[in-house]
Amino acid sequence: QKEVEQDPGPLSVPEGAIVSLNCTYSNSAFQYFMWYRQYSRKGPELLMYTYSSGNKEDGRFTAQVDKSSKYISLFIRDSQPSDSATYLCAMRSYNTDKLIFGTGTRLQVFP
Amino acid sequence: EAQVTQNPRYLITVTGKKLTVTCSQNMNHEYMSWYRQDPGLGLRQIYYSMNVEVTDKGDVPEGYKVSRKEKRNFPLILESPSPNQTSLYFCASSGYEGPSYEQYFGPGTRLTVT
Repeated sequence: QKEVEQDPGPLSVPEGAIVSLNCTYSNSAFQYFMWYRQYSRKGPELLMYTYSSGNKEDGRFTAQVDKSSKYISLFIRDSQPSDSATYLCAMRSYNTDKLIFGTGTRLQVFP
Repeated sequence: EAQVTQNPRYLITVTGKKLTVTCSQNMNHEYMSWYRQDPGLGLRQIYYSMNVEVTDKGDVPEGYKVSRKEKRNFPLILESPSPNQTSLYFCASSGYEGPSYEQYFGPGTRLTVT
């Protein structure tokens, strides 16, 4: 079993939809949870960074962590065609920079 | 402007010919890492460094070497490249700006080993 599981998609939604992206993990030592956006032929860009359980909001993006279920989510409100990209989740334990990534979900937002 | 630079951006080489991919950051970040990205496998960490002269193995360190002699530079060395190291490589730097964590990736190096 992989430490981090992420549905590869593709996920295709109309403009304005609420998008839900998810990852599950198996290592209960993970404390820090990240979401990245990667456009084609570009490096990943850190979108959200959360510590432990709870929600964090930044503009149209909300990151949610449920440590009891080992499940993290990224919600995108009012999705735009410019949100079309691959979204990767990643996580790490305390006091290390060893990151474990999901395989990424490809999102397409059509006008 | 926050920047992570990698060189070269594209490289085609032959099996066994030693090569180095350079990485440099201008944010004074403590942490730096190398990743490879392959279709269907996602992003996998090769090595990371949490400080000068401190490096640790990531998930896929076999066949790679790194060194961190200066804070801003973190070169990736392939002593004897093999075709299974054909991949897209990313360098990243990260650290804390006050309570906020930030991380930046370089533009990537596409390596082909024939």
